[in-house]
Amino acid sequence: DTEVTQTPKHLVMGMTNKKSLKCEQHMGHRAMYWYKQKAKKPPELMFVYSYEKLSINESVPSRFSPECPNSSLLNLHLHALQPEDSALYLCASSQDMVGGLMREQFFGPGTRLTVL
Amino acid sequence: DAKTTQPNSMESNEEEPVHLPCNHSTISGTDYIHWYRQLPSQGPEYVIHGLTSNVNNRMASLAIAEDRKSSTLILHRATLRDAAVYYCILRDGGEYGNKLVFGAGTILRVKS
Repeated sequence: DTEVTQTPKHLVMGMTNKKSLKCEQHMGHRAMYWYKQKAKKPPELMFVYSYEKLSINESVPSRFSPECPNSSLLNLHLHALQPEDSALYLCASSQDMVGGLMREQFFGPGTRLTVL
Repeated sequence: DAKTTQPNSMESNEEEPVHLPCNHSTISGTDYIHWYRQLPSQGPEYVIHGLTSNVNNRMASLAIAEDRKSSTLILHRATLRDAAVYYCILRDGGEYGNKLVFGAGTILRVKS
């Protein structure tokens, strides 16, 4: 199984709502990632988890709160978002970086988020 | 992060080879060259990577210049399914090697 699944596929939320995005992989990967992609732009890294610990936060606003409850799951909790946060949110996973070996990242199809 | 420069777009005919260039003049000795592509309405997918030597896999070939300041992704026979945005990315082989920084990429159009 080389698949990263993301739910929901689409999400519409108001600026006062609280919602969560979910990402799951069963490849035994120990690194997981959240990216944000605006229309016609490249993906931008938001967070990296390594062995269920947050290792990189690319200065993301606190209205985005990541969580890695176990090695297969990655959540992104959303609260008080702005319309400019509307984007495609991509999750990815890879084997860990121990030994400096390069590991390809496997991406999910993304969640299309619209903030009204 | 070291930067890459790619043409905005390229066009190819179906069944013909495609050479996608990438310039990375500020590449450091520990940077690996990675290529990902993103098909319409999908997440990016890994294509190939290399450090110094040319590389081949079932999807493509990667030709790396001797000074490592440029590289070329080669699709040997383009199909309509290869129409995508192709990203050339430098990945730090050190502490932050699991960090992917995407550039603008090249939009590849394939004509039948």
